[in-house]
Amino acid sequence: GAVVSQHPSRVICKSGTSVKIECRSLDFQATTMFWYRQFPKKSLMLMATSNEGSKATYEQGVEKDKFLINHASLTLSTLTVTSAHPEDSSFYICSARSTSGSYSDTQYFGPGTRLTVL
Amino acid sequence: AQSVTQLDSQVPVFEEAPVELRCNYSSSVSVYLFWYVQYPNQGLQLLLKYLSGSTLVKGINGFEAEFNKSQTSFHLRKPSVHISDTAEYFCAVSFYSSASKIIFGSGTRLSIRP
Repeated sequence: GAVVSQHPSRVICKSGTSVKIECRSLDFQATTMFWYRQFPKKSLMLMATSNEGSKATYEQGVEKDKFLINHASLTLSTLTVTSAHPEDSSFYICSARSTSGSYSDTQYFGPGTRLTVL
Repeated sequence: AQSVTQLDSQVPVFEEAPVELRCNYSSSVSVYLFWYVQYPNQGLQLLLKYLSGSTLVKGINGFEAEFNKSQTSFHLRKPSVHISDTAEYFCAVSFYSSASKIIFGSGTRLSIRP
């Protein structure tokens, strides 16, 4: 089946620093990737949708200058949390989907990245 | 408005008992339905999906779900649960096409008692 990885799995940083999270599709070309945020004991909230080679589409209420998304290749998308603050601490999960082939009808999720901002 | 609802935030069940996790949606357009499972501190794993065809869908780990268009439901069932089924379960819906963005329900925590 389709495999999506995220790196790092956990990151702890100081307030004011920037953190980059990588999302990779390992065995298929992901033309579209999604970034979600999950608060403790809560559901997933879609932050943005990114298509390879174009700008990400952010959901209402998500600061695009705060959460920078880059989808430069068909297997890699990155989320950079800029000038992180404690309220940005959360579980960030990406998903990937292809527009063709056997992986085109479902989103496949990564294992998530736990961000803690001190 | 399009939405997905999981009415039960928690479902406690004894081991080897059957379980049903409820999911209802609201939509005036075509829907594509999914159930995901999340174990503690992990990402989401797809249990099963309904895109078209037979309304009874079988997934992994012995789970199945039935799409009921008239009742706008997609309830998840398992005839006999195990301790290892303890997890958070999310119902999710795509509208218009299966490639569209997914809206998640609020989740149901399934806890299995020995």
